[in-house]
Amino acid sequence: AQSVTQLGSHVSVSEGALVLLRCNYSSSVPPYLFWYVQYPNQGLQLLLKYTTGATLVKGINGFEAEFKKSETSFHLTKPSAHMSDAAEYFCAGNTPLVFGKGTRLSVIA
Amino acid sequence: DTEVTQTPKHLVMGMTNKKSLKCEQHMGHRAMYWYKQKAKKPPELMFVYSYEKLSINESVPSRFSPECPNSSLLNLHLHALQPEDSALYLCASSQTGRVTEAFFGQGTRLTVV
Repeated sequence: AQSVTQLGSHVSVSEGALVLLRCNYSSSVPPYLFWYVQYPNQGLQLLLKYTTGATLVKGINGFEAEFKKSETSFHLTKPSAHMSDAAEYFCAGNTPLVFGKGTRLSVIA
Repeated sequence: DTEVTQTPKHLVMGMTNKKSLKCEQHMGHRAMYWYKQKAKKPPELMFVYSYEKLSINESVPSRFSPECPNSSLLNLHLHALQPEDSALYLCASSQTGRVTEAFFGQGTRLTVV
């Protein structure tokens, strides 16, 4: 069975700084990986997904993630953080989805 | 339309009450899901319906009873809940198949008193 591990329960960055949220997966089969964002008291919104093909995946709101099989990683990045990016981010795998524990992103003005 | 609609948004119920949560989607998805999310935790899968049939029940207590009346609707019937069942209940839907993202509703915030 696949599992995903998010490193860091809380990440804090300054506005305009690089955002890096880490996710590693473990699986004996090719993974299907997703990043979701959750704002307070809201549902989850899909940011991006990796299935097969291109390992650099672009998503909404300027986010992207790179699938690295050699490192079993699928880290989420954004070049320049905005205040509106403050939220909870979940890495998830396969169907039905299994979620990592989440990383809360804070953006400091 | 990529929307999953959940009603009600908030629900307060006593431990002897019976209530239902409702979920609707019109994306033609044939897989629908219920997740439970406690504060500061990830969503946990409860039930999966595929083509209106229950395909996964993650050992959920019988006080939670799912129902899928048709391909667009998903209900979660609640009876004799405990205060520890208070949580955000999320509905999601997806196309069937191995690789498919799920679309989530805004959730129902349930408080059991």
